[in-house]
Amino acid sequence: EVQLFESGGGLVQPGGSLRLSCAASGFTFDSYVMSWVRQAPGKGPEWVSSLSVGSSTAYYADSVRGRFGISRDNSKNSLYLQMNSLRAEDTALYYCATARNYGGRFYFDFWGQGALVIVSS
Amino acid sequence: DIQLTQSPSFLSASVGDRVTITCRASQRISYYLAWYQQKPGKAPNLLIYAASTLQSGVSSRFSGSGSGTEFTLTISSLQPEDFATYYCQYLNSHPLFGPGTKVDIK
Repeated sequence: EVQLFESGGGLVQPGGSLRLSCAASGFTFDSYVMSWVRQAPGKGPEWVSSLSVGSSTAYYADSVRGRFGISRDNSKNSLYLQMNSLRAEDTALYYCATARNYGGRFYFDFWGQGALVIVSS
Repeated sequence: DIQLTQSPSFLSASVGDRVTITCRASQRISYYLAWYQQKPGKAPNLLIYAASTLQSGVSSRFSGSGSGTEFTLTISSLQPEDFATYYCQYLNSHPLFGPGTKVDIK
């Protein structure tokens, strides 16, 4: 059974930093593109970032590029999201998700339960 | 940039109804579209990808169709567990989700 478990969420002040982790199990982690997708309260999902299997290629949404960094450790079956210069509009539930690569295009077949990030003073 | 719209935004229906949700793209996107179901307090659940391919384990009462700029998700006979919000998603290296359609009980 595929399992994804996010951790590291919390309350942070504007301008602060936070690092999310995602622990994966039940599948061959180093065969999957992995992604972060967030969902602000009452809003639809918003893709944040994706990372290739060998970490050679990272993709970022314009809203987070230059502030967020995605990484993975295949030896630990783990995905990370380093979030810097956080803004109020980054407040959301952050999901870790497996990304199916469909000709260089992604959709998401397994999701974690999410980690809540609140940016507020 | 490509934009996705969904219609209706809200739909009230009864158990057993046939329900159709539409997703429109501002430019042609071939068949690069997925559909998700999301229930309150839960993560989205993949239903369909590549416009019409049913994800493994998903009920056959869900079907998808369309290509280019107009796509539809159809639930052939609405069941109590289908009351949820549905999102379309453009398959891309920078994926994009639609605004959602909430299906509520009439």
